[in-house]
Amino acid sequence: DQQVKQNSPSLSVQEGRISILNCDYTNSMFDYFLWYKKYPAEGPTFLISISSIKDKNEDGRFTVFLNKSAKHLSLHIVPSQPGDSAVYFCAARGSGTYKYIFGTGTRLKVLA
Amino acid sequence: NAGVTQTPKFQVLKTGQSMTLQCAQDMNHNSMYWYRQDPGMGLRLIYYSASEGTTDKGEVPNGYNVSRLNKREFSLRLESAAPSQTSVYFCASREGASNQPQHFGDGTRLSIL
Repeated sequence: DQQVKQNSPSLSVQEGRISILNCDYTNSMFDYFLWYKKYPAEGPTFLISISSIKDKNEDGRFTVFLNKSAKHLSLHIVPSQPGDSAVYFCAARGSGTYKYIFGTGTRLKVLA
Repeated sequence: NAGVTQTPKFQVLKTGQSMTLQCAQDMNHNSMYWYRQDPGMGLRLIYYSASEGTTDKGEVPNGYNVSRLNKREFSLRLESAAPSQTSVYFCASREGASNQPQHFGDGTRLSIL
């Protein structure tokens, strides 16, 4: 049973436009959420996170939104750049645990 | 700035052979993790170590063993490799503080024939 779901395997966006990546989760005990970016032949790198006590966190061009009632989070990238082309994973951690559960990833392609 | 170092980067094994994947971090992190990544499956947690001297099972521990050798090193062992264990393996580490992200190595690509 997939506790963290990324239902869009891929997404294409024009350079300069907004990219919106979505993630849904089923476990209401998750209290910390993260987004990672992964280039081919490299390990995932941390992008941005949000605690369950917040509904928004911004870092430069990246903003993560959390809707706890819908069990949904999204990553907005504005403006999108060709270097943002990568696979993006969302991840969630259960309260009081050390386990991080990852989604299946969304491949973002930013077209120049 | 080594961060998390995994060795080897690539390995091909025959069914039934054994293999240890090595992971070392130089960030003085308390927690360490092993994941496998398969197409369409994302990253799945195999084992983790919350601190030196402790290890716990993740989502997919069957067929694997781990050793937290010291604070820096966390190894993953396949005692009798099976084709279903063909995957890319990632090691990660994290500070002990509550809301901190994991830092990943660049992975070991393992093929079992």
